Amino acid sequence: DAGVIQSPRHEVTEMGQEVTLRCKPISGHNSLFWYRQTMMRGLELLIYFNNNVPIDDSGMPEDRFSAKMPNASFSTLKIQPSEPRDSAVYFCASRSSAYEQYFGPGTRLTVT
Amino acid sequence: KNEVEQSPQNLTAQEGEFITINCSYSVGISALHWLQQHPGGGIVSLFMLSSGKKKHGRLIATINIQEKHSSLHITASHPRDSAVYICAVRYGNQFYFGTGTSLTVIP
Repeated sequence: DAGVIQSPRHEVTEMGQEVTLRCKPISGHNSLFWYRQTMMRGLELLIYFNNNVPIDDSGMPEDRFSAKMPNASFSTLKIQPSEPRDSAVYFCASRSSAYEQYFGPGTRLTVT
Repeated sequence: KNEVEQSPQNLTAQEGEFITINCSYSVGISALHWLQQHPGGGIVSLFMLSSGKKKHGRLIATINIQEKHSSLHITASHPRDSAVYICAVRYGNQFYFGTGTSLTVIP
């Protein structure tokens, strides 16, 4: 298996633009997590899905952030409009039931 | 106050030394995770545990539920162990992360 796949790996955009981050979980995994990592706040859980259903989105910073999981093999995290303080590394992770999570390589987002 | 506290924040060791990283938490717990983040940024889940002890190669993780404390031990440390080690506690649907311990192992 190729592991968790994220795209793009790097994104540079201007403030106000819409940003879409993509994640393909490991086949067979039924949970998917979106994290954000910054120097100031460290790792934070934004949202997680179980069987494609959002279970907890209390970590989503504000209405500018939205996440979807239309099927078991694809999820998106969208920021609209983006702001410089959204600059961070965004990780996607997946797991099967009560087993450990597997992290993707991350998307480094820079908003200028 | 952080729900998860790690110590030390930074650690430098000579190759071959035995290393201990500590994690204390103040919330309830469903499971505790130890993550490793390499200088390139990739994150690997090392352990997930809710009681007792787990071992994988040179790595050992222990947890004491009553004391709300976990330790990650590395035996015979090696320069390739140099990374940031992050403790994370899951309680229900919530995840709480420590700020990480930066480990440097010198040859």
